[in-house]
Amino acid sequence: SQTIHQWPATLVQPVGSPLSLECTVEGTSNPNLYWYRQAAGRGLQLLFYSVGIGQISSEVPQNLSASRPQDRQFILSSKKLLLSDSGFYLCAWSVSGRGNPFFGQGTRLTVV
Amino acid sequence: GDSVTQMEGPVTLSEEAFLTINCTYTATGYPSLFWYVQYPGEGLQLLLKATKADDKGSNKGFEATYRKETTSFHLEKGSVQVSDSAVYFCALQPPTGGGNKLTFGTGTQLKVEL
Repeated sequence: SQTIHQWPATLVQPVGSPLSLECTVEGTSNPNLYWYRQAAGRGLQLLFYSVGIGQISSEVPQNLSASRPQDRQFILSSKKLLLSDSGFYLCAWSVSGRGNPFFGQGTRLTVV
Repeated sequence: GDSVTQMEGPVTLSEEAFLTINCTYTATGYPSLFWYVQYPGEGLQLLLKATKADDKGSNKGFEATYRKETTSFHLEKGSVQVSDSAVYFCALQPPTGGGNKLTFGTGTQLKVEL
């Protein structure tokens, strides 16, 4: 069966520090991968999605970047965090072509 | 562009009460529609889905019917339990292309009390 792992579960980082959140999927090949953010009191916003290794689509301009160095690995990064980057970050995967996404457990990021 | 509008919460109900959470959408063509649930401190889980007009998705006593004429996908449950307390998200997926991206509503928090 397919599983998705996302870590860390919680993270507190100072303003201006770098960020690296990692997500891996097991049990499937060539998945579509996604990073969503859920800010306090708001819905989910799609940040990035990827349909293959090295292929990243950005949905909104921001202080973050994403990379997909391997087929089932998706990384969310920032060189310098802002207070506004605080939120709940969710990684998800779906079968390429068609299918609903399956979500990881999320990372709660607090920038102080 | 595509959008999803949900009723604002929180919705507070007594156990065994009837639940309705409204969801309407704007999209071209015939999108697929979803309800996801988020329990406290966790990620999202797919609750139910419908892929074409007049389909009814159902799971764990929850139901939603894809209404093309009213562009709606309202979530209902006949008798809620305390364990149903969570945030519920309505979402749509466009019919073709775009990497299977979902557009989510803002979520509706449900609180069920004894």
